[in-house]
Amino acid sequence: AQSVTQLDSHVSVSEGTPVLLRCNYSSSYSPSLFWYVQHPNKGLQLLLKYTSAATLVKGINGFEAEFKKSETSFHLTKPSAHMSDAAEYFCVVSETPPGSGYSTLTFGKGTMLLVSP
Amino acid sequence: EAGVAQSPRYKIIEKRQSVAFWCNPISGHATLYWYQQILGQGPKLLIQFQNNGVVDDSQLPKDRFSAERLKGVDSTLKIQPAKLEDSAVYLCASSLGRGGYEQYFGPGTRLTVT
Repeated sequence: AQSVTQLDSHVSVSEGTPVLLRCNYSSSYSPSLFWYVQHPNKGLQLLLKYTSAATLVKGINGFEAEFKKSETSFHLTKPSAHMSDAAEYFCVVSETPPGSGYSTLTFGKGTMLLVSP
Repeated sequence: EAGVAQSPRYKIIEKRQSVAFWCNPISGHATLYWYQQILGQGPKLLIQFQNNGVVDDSQLPKDRFSAERLKGVDSTLKIQPAKLEDSAVYLCASSLGRGGYEQYFGPGTRLTVT
C-alpha cells in the first residue's frame, strides 16, 4: 500500500524568499513521485516527476525536488518565491504492483502556499 | 494539443437527484481516470479505464456511482441518487498508458448537493 504525508497544510513566505514544501511517502514497491500544482479554479498541472533516474529533479517555474530514499522524503523547493507561485501543491506517489500492468496515484492532502509582497 | 475537456463546470442539485458529468480525454490517450476532490483534501481515485475496460474501481461507491467509457474515448460519470457528502470537485484525467505515464487533468466539475 502507498501513502503520502504532506507535513504542512499551509506555508507562508515573502516574495523573494525560499520555498520549502515537505512531503514524506511510503510505498511497497519502487515508486514514482510527482508534485502537482493547482491554482484556484484551474486544473492540476504537473510541476515535476521522479521516476528512478536522477534523485534531484528539476521542474517548471524554477521548482525542484530531491528524492531521498533513506528518509522516504520528496521535498519541493524553490530558491525565490514569486507572487504567482501562490497556489495549492500536491505531493503524489504512484505504484505499479508487479504483474498488475497499471499504476495508481495517491495524493497527499495538499499544502497551500501563500506569498506576501 | 487540446487538453482534457469536462462539462459542466458547475452543477447544483438537491439531494436524491441524479447528475451526470462528461469527460473527453486528450486524443490518443488510452487511460482515463475519474477523481473526487472534497474541499480541503487531495483528489481520490474513483475509477480507472484502459480503453473501454475498467482497470480499477475499488473506491467507487457502486451503490450510487456509475461510469462508462463505451467507445474507449469519452466517458460519463453518474451519481444516482446524490447525497450531501457527494459535494466535491470531480476531476477527469487521461494518460497515454497505464504504467507510470503522466496524467493530464481537466478543469473539473464542481458539484454542490443541497
